Amino acid sequence: QQPVQSPQAVILREGEDAVINCSSSKALYSVHWYRQKHGEAPVFLMILLKGGEQKGHEKISASFNEKKQQSSLYLTASQLSYSGTYFCGTETGNFGNEKLTFGTGTRLTIIP
Amino acid sequence: DAGVIQSPRHEVTEMGQEVTLRCKPISGHNSLFWYRQTMMRGLELLIYFNNNVPIDDSGMPEDRFSAKMPNASFSTLKIQPSEPRDSAVYFCASSFSPDLFGGPRVDYEQYFGPGTRLTVT
Repeated sequence: QQPVQSPQAVILREGEDAVINCSSSKALYSVHWYRQKHGEAPVFLMILLKGGEQKGHEKISASFNEKKQQSSLYLTASQLSYSGTYFCGTETGNFGNEKLTFGTGTRLTIIP
Repeated sequence: DAGVIQSPRHEVTEMGQEVTLRCKPISGHNSLFWYRQTMMRGLELLIYFNNNVPIDDSGMPEDRFSAKMPNASFSTLKIQPSEPRDSAVYFCASSFSPDLFGGPRVDYEQYFGPGTRLTVT
């Protein structure tokens, strides 16, 4: 079952904040966030693991609500470089198995 | 680091022809994933390998699709015969993963290759 992302698209002015949500119908082991720029490959942003462990590479933050089977990605003080399509990838089950199911994506456009 | 290498970057072929996509994962990574991306279906996992062994191929759409990983540094995805609906961008990704069968859990990220844009006419 593909996770549902919202919103589907958002346009922001530079410096504004954005929240992207990812909901699953199944119990989650982990949630992975990736960003893809047009014509390029997805690039890893962050992993949130069951139990609260969180690992990432950039100045972004995210939450993982295991009970609600949801994750949210927070982009604050957005920069032009944040533009792209954001995907959540969910890993379901109690122990995880590396198999990611990606959401339909949220297209983020940052304008000057 | 070279990153994940895929070839060819673009492939245009006629319906019915055999297509072979190639992938070289990052050295030291032991998991390899093949994805397909289309506007209609998004990013779909086709198959993944761990330590060269296929773990889950439930995403392979039909018997026309096959994938192999003869060694830790090379994998192929073959479509035979190809059809216009196979047109998509195919990504290969690799990661380092612990022992799936009881080993300690560590975090991992998947590194994607640049993709192969396949057009079947």
